[in-house]
Amino acid sequence: GESVGLHLPTLSVQEGDNSIINCAYSNSASDYFIWYKQESGKGPQFIIDIRSNMDKRQGQRVTVLLNKTVKHLSLQIAATQPGDSAVYFCAENGNAGNMLTFGGGTRLMVKP
Amino acid sequence: GAGVSQTPSNKVTEKGKYVELRCDPISGHTALYWYRQSLGQGPEFLIYFQGTGAADDSGLPNDRFFAVRPEGSVSTLKIQRTERGDSAVYLCASSKQGGTEQFFGPGTRLTVL
Repeated sequence: GESVGLHLPTLSVQEGDNSIINCAYSNSASDYFIWYKQESGKGPQFIIDIRSNMDKRQGQRVTVLLNKTVKHLSLQIAATQPGDSAVYFCAENGNAGNMLTFGGGTRLMVKP
Repeated sequence: GAGVSQTPSNKVTEKGKYVELRCDPISGHTALYWYRQSLGQGPEFLIYFQGTGAADDSGLPNDRFFAVRPEGSVSTLKIQRTERGDSAVYLCASSKQGGTEQFFGPGTRLTVL
């Protein structure tokens, strides 16, 4: 399939370590943020979301942090596994149910 | 259950030709979105349908691009007089009415020679 993210920033981590992927967003009016994972040849897959009235949300092995003051979003993955290797995108939605604006993406490579 | 499906998975065409890309959303999802993803970049919004009507087509790059959803389910993205710069992966997503999570299909990789 198509290889996504040939020219993206890359984060390389050792299996079992924690990963932190960062994203800066531009629209201060956005009220909903999502992290997507995209494997080569596939469409983006939802990981976790957060609304602007929260600053932290936890899922299974993942945590999203939102800092509205500096318009910064981060995704933390605990105990990173080889299956986590993919390109990760943050996206913002200023009007729930409508278009998403995606960030530039980060490639995560997990070394066994 | 079945996710969003897109056909064809790959399409190679020549400059100047017309192409149609099809999206089958998740059954019952009223909202449907088209995005375009160039190599090394995030998806970019093209058009959004709520039911049969295009609620927001502000992302369509020019009048060579058109999309329809005549029965509020399957959608077709149509590109006339294709150009090499149209080469990209075209992604479709759908969501429930009032829902925020968009479910993406695998995309159609369009190559214009």
